[in-house]
Amino acid sequence: GAVVSQHPSRVICKSGTSVKIECRSLDFQATTMFWYRQFPKQSLMLMATSNEGSKATYEQGVEKDKFLINHASLTLSTLTVTSAHPEDSSFYICSARTSGGNEQYFGPGTRLTVT
Amino acid sequence: GQNIDQPTEMTATEGAIVQINCTYQTSGFNGLFWYQQHAGEAPTFLSYNVLDGLEEKGRFSSFLSRSKGYSYLLLKELQMKDSASYLCAVRKGGKLIFGQGTELSVKP
Repeated sequence: GAVVSQHPSRVICKSGTSVKIECRSLDFQATTMFWYRQFPKQSLMLMATSNEGSKATYEQGVEKDKFLINHASLTLSTLTVTSAHPEDSSFYICSARTSGGNEQYFGPGTRLTVT
Repeated sequence: GQNIDQPTEMTATEGAIVQINCTYQTSGFNGLFWYQQHAGEAPTFLSYNVLDGLEEKGRFSSFLSRSKGYSYLLLKELQMKDSASYLCAVRKGGKLIFGQGTELSVKP
């Protein structure tokens, strides 16, 4: 149980375009989902927290207009990187948590490369 | 603010025991997690401590001292597959704040 999937696993896009990453909880309802970014040989940096049906809460320094997060259902959250730049190239990881749960269940990550 | 420190790299021998330390300074502490992460993959949960003391789970144990802002992850009977990055994460409210991770290399 407690499986989280992400799609796509890898994506290459051109600079200036937008790309959407999906995060799904497959066998549980995720009231809260988190989006992280990880650069090579660095740790996970929390970008934003999203609760189902409400606006995401962004961490300091993360542009909400550039990284659009939608958490429309209890099993799906999406992250859209708008007007992508090469410096947005990174490993994006989502996690999901149930209401009142302690543990976050991580998705397998999405490798984004912006050319 | 929060500050979480772990050693950047460690090396150990197959079959040995290794201890990875994590110190933290944060307000609103609400538990400490250890995750294992292989390169290019998502983190996998290893342990969770919210009270002081030792939690043992097979070859892995984790210790917490809240008064000292200190935790360690103990790996016994090391195997080559244990070569990975080990992430210490402090829960603050509903969020996880990760340390930089410790890259563990297990050698024959």
